[in-house]
Amino acid sequence: DVKVTQSSRYLVKRTGEKVFLECVQDMDHENMFWYRQDPGLGLRLIYFSYDVKMKEKGDIPEGYSVSREKKERFSLILESASTNQTSMYLCASSKGGNEQFFGPGTRLTVL
Amino acid sequence: GEDVEQSLFLSVREGDSSVINCTYTDSSSTYLYWYKQEPGAGLQLLTYIFSNMDMKQDQRLTVLLNKKDKHLSLRIADTQTGDSAIYFCAGWPIQTGANNLFFGTGTRLTVIP
Repeated sequence: DVKVTQSSRYLVKRTGEKVFLECVQDMDHENMFWYRQDPGLGLRLIYFSYDVKMKEKGDIPEGYSVSREKKERFSLILESASTNQTSMYLCASSKGGNEQFFGPGTRLTVL
Repeated sequence: GEDVEQSLFLSVREGDSSVINCTYTDSSSTYLYWYKQEPGAGLQLLTYIFSNMDMKQDQRLTVLLNKKDKHLSLRIADTQTGDSAIYFCAGWPIQTGANNLFFGTGTRLTVIP
């Protein structure tokens, strides 16, 4: 079974802090994705990566950056967290463009 | 990108059928998916349909695709309280070369005992 894990289920940070969200997948998938999920807005793609050290902006990249130094790990970075980044963050991976496998999500609260 | 729309809420009584609808704008989506998100969890793939199919049935789930109207639906027969969740439709426009899916806003299904 594909497993996608995220480093934290719940995280509370203060405005201005640097935040790292980690995602690891164990199925050698090329593609990895970061979404944020907000009520009434569904899933919005922040960034994705189709290979090590490669990254592409999604629909809402502002205020975020990513890092993919190893194939199995994709990190989302909030350089200076703001309250409007309070959200549920979901990581996913896929082989090719097919089915995406999701992690359990990280609920981030920025105070 | 593609716009994918869903109604936000649906309530049904236990034992009834649920129908969750989805409309999309880009007809190049070759694969169309339904994902389920239970409270506090990530998304799990429920089923998918290729764009050259009209219908797919998998136990209690029936997916209908109307390509002309760009309309996708998920029917859950004999809905149970365990079906209460958020359901997302998603499309993959393979012809564009994109590797990412386009998700709808999600429909929160509430099953009333």
